Amino acid sequence: KNQVEQSPQSLIILEGKNCTLQCNYTVSPFSNLRWYKQDTGRGPVSLTIMTFSENTKSNGRYTATLDADTKQSSLHITASQLSDSASYICVVSAKTSYDKVIFGPGTSLSVIP
Amino acid sequence: ETGVTQTPRHLVMGMTNKKSLKCEQHLGHNAMYWYKQSAKKPLELMFVYSLEERVENNSVPSRFSPECPNSSHLFLHLHTLQPEDSALYLCASSQARTSGRINEQFFGPGTRLTVL
Repeated sequence: KNQVEQSPQSLIILEGKNCTLQCNYTVSPFSNLRWYKQDTGRGPVSLTIMTFSENTKSNGRYTATLDADTKQSSLHITASQLSDSASYICVVSAKTSYDKVIFGPGTSLSVIP
Repeated sequence: ETGVTQTPRHLVMGMTNKKSLKCEQHLGHNAMYWYKQSAKKPLELMFVYSLEERVENNSVPSRFSPECPNSSHLFLHLHTLQPEDSALYLCASSQARTSGRINEQFFGPGTRLTVL
């Protein structure tokens, strides 16, 4: 069964601190893994996309890693800002004729002053 | 926000009403998606249209009826909904999959639906 799991479910950190979010997946055949940021009541916005051959990808203060052997990914946020408060969703795409994606439940991150 | 727009942004309807949600993409894509996001739950794929043909219908109740008149527009027709259908409905678009390319989805802002 295609599935994406994330941990922790929620996280509270102080502004300026770093944090790491985890994602485990069982999706086959694997195409790519993405991290999305979703503000409350808004549509998700893509942060990073990684294929099987990529094991790290950065986008500003966001750095994603991928271990395709263990089927694990992480999203590291450095020097957090209040605007980083959002839900971070791990999304895995399967190889089909369209973009079939399986969404994780998300990690709710709160950055406090 | 993005090249995908959705209207209305908020909708309140009774269980006997008929309404429609509209999605429009300005990105030249040819695949469009409807998702449902209930509170504290992951996004659930409802329908996929690729090259204007429905390629996936994820066991969605018949009170939800999609329509894709062309590659730029997608509708979700609603009738006799239940209170548990209250959720954020998100539209997305992408290119239909081509070999070796990642055709990621771009999301609209969503329609917040409340069924009374």
